[in-house]
Amino acid sequence: AQSVTQLDSHVSVSEGTPVLLRCNYSSSYSPSLFWYVQHPNKGLQLLLKYTSAATLVKGINGFEAEFKKSETSFHLTKPSAHMSDAAEYFCVVTAYTGTASKLTFGTGTRLQVTL
Amino acid sequence: DAGVTQSPTHLIKTRGQQVTLRCSPKSGHDTVSWYQQALGQGPQFIFQYYEEEERQRGNFPDRFSGHQFPNYSSELNVNALLLGDSALYLCASSSYGGVLETQYFGPGTRLLVL
Repeated sequence: AQSVTQLDSHVSVSEGTPVLLRCNYSSSYSPSLFWYVQHPNKGLQLLLKYTSAATLVKGINGFEAEFKKSETSFHLTKPSAHMSDAAEYFCVVTAYTGTASKLTFGTGTRLQVTL
Repeated sequence: DAGVTQSPTHLIKTRGQQVTLRCSPKSGHDTVSWYQQALGQGPQFIFQYYEEEERQRGNFPDRFSGHQFPNYSSELNVNALLLGDSALYLCASSSYGGVLETQYFGPGTRLLVL
């Protein structure tokens, strides 16, 4: 079965400093991995996705993630945090059953950005 | 290009009632998935529809049912509502593509059961 573990439930950074949100995955085959962001009282927005192409994936708003098979990790980074980055971030793995594709979400990491 | 739309945005029901939530997929998408997100938790997969059939179901009781129409839009029905059904219900659409599929989410319907 596929699963993801987000290692931090809450991360706080100062504006202008780097962001690191950690995610480890478990998959019986080569996975597709995603990061989604959810702002308060909003739906989910796709930040970036990994689907077995380049291991360094660039997303929207300056975010990127690196797929490391040896470490089973897919950590999300951004060089410089902005106040608008404050939100809940979900690491997600796809499980394909042969007839359908379903997303399995991590428990989420709440990113707080302070002045 | 309209993204995924859901209606209504908010809903209040009482225990035992039935509710229907609606979703229109992004243009060009043929697959709709539904998720339940309880407060403070990550979304949980309910089921996925493709070609008007339920293709996969998560760990939800039969009180949760759905339908997909020929225009690819979808409904989620919940019968005999329980207090624990209070949640944000998210619809996601995609082009059927197996493990390479990318799902795009609507804004959600927030259901409160009293």
